[in-house]
Amino acid sequence: EDKVVQSPLSLVVHEGDTVTLNCSYEVTNFRSLLWYKQEKKAPTFLFMLTSSGIEKKSGRLSSILDKKELFSILNITATQTGDSAIYLCAVLTSGGGADGLTFGKGTHLIIQP
Amino acid sequence: NAGVTQTPKFRVLKTGQSMTLLCAQDMNHEYMYWYRQDPGMGLRLIHYSVGEGTTAKGEVPDGYNVSRLKKQNFLLGLESAAPSQTSVYFCASTRRGQPQHFGDGTRLSIL
Repeated sequence: EDKVVQSPLSLVVHEGDTVTLNCSYEVTNFRSLLWYKQEKKAPTFLFMLTSSGIEKKSGRLSSILDKKELFSILNITATQTGDSAIYLCAVLTSGGGADGLTFGKGTHLIIQP
Repeated sequence: NAGVTQTPKFRVLKTGQSMTLLCAQDMNHEYMYWYRQDPGMGLRLIHYSVGEGTTAKGEVPDGYNVSRLKKQNFLLGLESAAPSQTSVYFCASTRRGQPQHFGDGTRLSIL
């Protein structure tokens, strides 16, 4: 059974802090690892990582994948209150004729002013 | 640019009632998915479709049926609603190997 584990499950920090969110996985037929941000409604796509060791960056957010150790991290620097959200890690696998996403339970991040 | 649209946004049902949730996408995506999201459980895949006229079971399919008669629409049906089906339902669509795009969700309560 495919498994994705995120840690911590919740995190409270002050504005301006740097945070690191973790995601480990055990899946068959790995294709990619994705990060999503979920505020009140739909999860919105942040990053898709396929190759090991290559950092993806978007503003204050960055992420990297380690396919040997089967984990990824999402970093957010100089956090702002607008970064408060649930961050979801998901692994894209292939098989059975479709690409399925297996999600972790999410990290609930709260940024205090 | 609508993307993925889900209707309705909210619904309250009584146990035993039936209903259909509609998902529509305007991106010409082949793949469509239905997930449910429960507190502390993440998103779990209910059913998915790889093209018009084809559907398959996901991780938690029991109590649900789906149909994909048109490429742009994916319907999720509850034949006899149960309180355990109280959840937030998300639809998503994509092309193969690409990130999934999600709708805003349907909040469903079964009394």
